[in-house]
Amino acid sequence: RKEVEQDPGPFNVPEGATVAFNCTYSNSASQSFFWYRQDCRKEPKLLMSVYSSGNEDGRFTAQLNRASQYISLLIRDSKLSDSATYLCVVKTGGFKTIFGAGTRLFVKA
Amino acid sequence: GAVVSQHPSWVICKSGTSVKIECRSLDFQATTMFWYRQFPKQSLMLMATSNEGSKATYEQGVEKDKFLINHASLTLSTLTVTSAHPEDSSFYICSASLAGAGNTIYFGEGSWLTVV
Repeated sequence: RKEVEQDPGPFNVPEGATVAFNCTYSNSASQSFFWYRQDCRKEPKLLMSVYSSGNEDGRFTAQLNRASQYISLLIRDSKLSDSATYLCVVKTGGFKTIFGAGTRLFVKA
Repeated sequence: GAVVSQHPSWVICKSGTSVKIECRSLDFQATTMFWYRQFPKQSLMLMATSNEGSKATYEQGVEKDKFLINHASLTLSTLTVTSAHPEDSSFYICSASLAGAGNTIYFGEGSWLTVV
């Protein structure tokens, strides 16, 4: 079993749709969680950190469920520019960082 | 502006030659940096952890004699692909972060290597 698992997709959605991604992690000692976005042929960039209480940034909402060991990302009112690969990232303290394989999203007009 | 800078962005080299990629932390001192490789349409794969002043820690299956890592200062780590082959063609990315679980991971811009 991979340490961090994501549905690879791709998710094909129309503009304006709401889409949700889930990510599960196996190490219960994991301490911090992030969602990164990676555009084609570019480096990953931080989208948002994920806090236990859940957090929202505009159209993006992230949730963490420690008991079930999963995190989620919800994108509302999808835009064409949201098309990218979304990476789930888990840190287990110190420097150890595990990346999910990424979920590809295509938003169509 | 960039927090971690990587150079070069693109490089084409002949089979058998060596290529050096630099990763610099611009706004902080990074005792630890990471090197990843990503093939088209695949996920990031951690190659090695670069430790300032000591030997790098390589992931299983990564040849340390082929991928030489040097972390001579707190702001610079280099990855040298030695005796490059076409199958080494890939996107190489470095990252760095401050110690502590909650600190953001910053990525370099990545380096596209094509071996012909």
